[in-house]
Amino acid sequence: NAGVTQTPKFQVLKTGQSMTLQCAQDMNHEYMSWYRQDPGMGLRLIHYSVGAGITDQGEVPNGYNVSRSTTEDFPLRLLSAAPSQTSVYFCASSRTSGPQETQYFGPGTRLLVL
Amino acid sequence: LAKTTQPISMDSYEGQEVNITCSHNNIATNDYITWYQQFPSQGPRFIIQGYKTKVTNEVASLFIPADRKSSTLSLPRVSLSDTAVYYCLVGNNSGGYQKVTFGTGTKLQVIP
Repeated sequence: NAGVTQTPKFQVLKTGQSMTLQCAQDMNHEYMSWYRQDPGMGLRLIHYSVGAGITDQGEVPNGYNVSRSTTEDFPLRLLSAAPSQTSVYFCASSRTSGPQETQYFGPGTRLLVL
Repeated sequence: LAKTTQPISMDSYEGQEVNITCSHNNIATNDYITWYQQFPSQGPRFIIQGYKTKVTNEVASLFIPADRKSSTLSLPRVSLSDTAVYYCLVGNNSGGYQKVTFGTGTKLQVIP
């Protein structure tokens, strides 16, 4: 199993540009989520999904969009990039949505918005 | 959100045992305590999970007192490769991960 994969590893955007961060898992997990991590801060939940076709907002959803058309994929879209979205983004998945289940994280995408 | 409090940072010499304590005064009856480890430039990874008393695996031990208002992650004989940030999470399956916060964690620096 590849686990959780993310692409790209690194991206530079100009303010106002849009892009999609890709996330895929091959463990048939129901639950997937996106976090952002800023220097000196913990992980903050952006959006999450409890199954295909079901998504919901986390702690910091503004400026981001998600969809979950398949169990495997959970892309994160930046609609109009802003410098405040410069961060490291992690995708994660788990068998179910409960904290009793181990959450598996991808390697991260470093995003720089100029 | 179930709130946890951990030291911001700790230093330890190689070969020593390290204990990181997490406070969770408002832990609910059916909450579990889970610890994750994050190396620089990587995503977090699961270390250990427990509900009460003591849990041990090949990586660490987790001590939980009877009142469950705190927990202690114990890393035996740390090496330089244990330098990482350690997160304590508290929650249960009915609440979901969306009810759990990672916080800022404890940055452990292992010194040669």
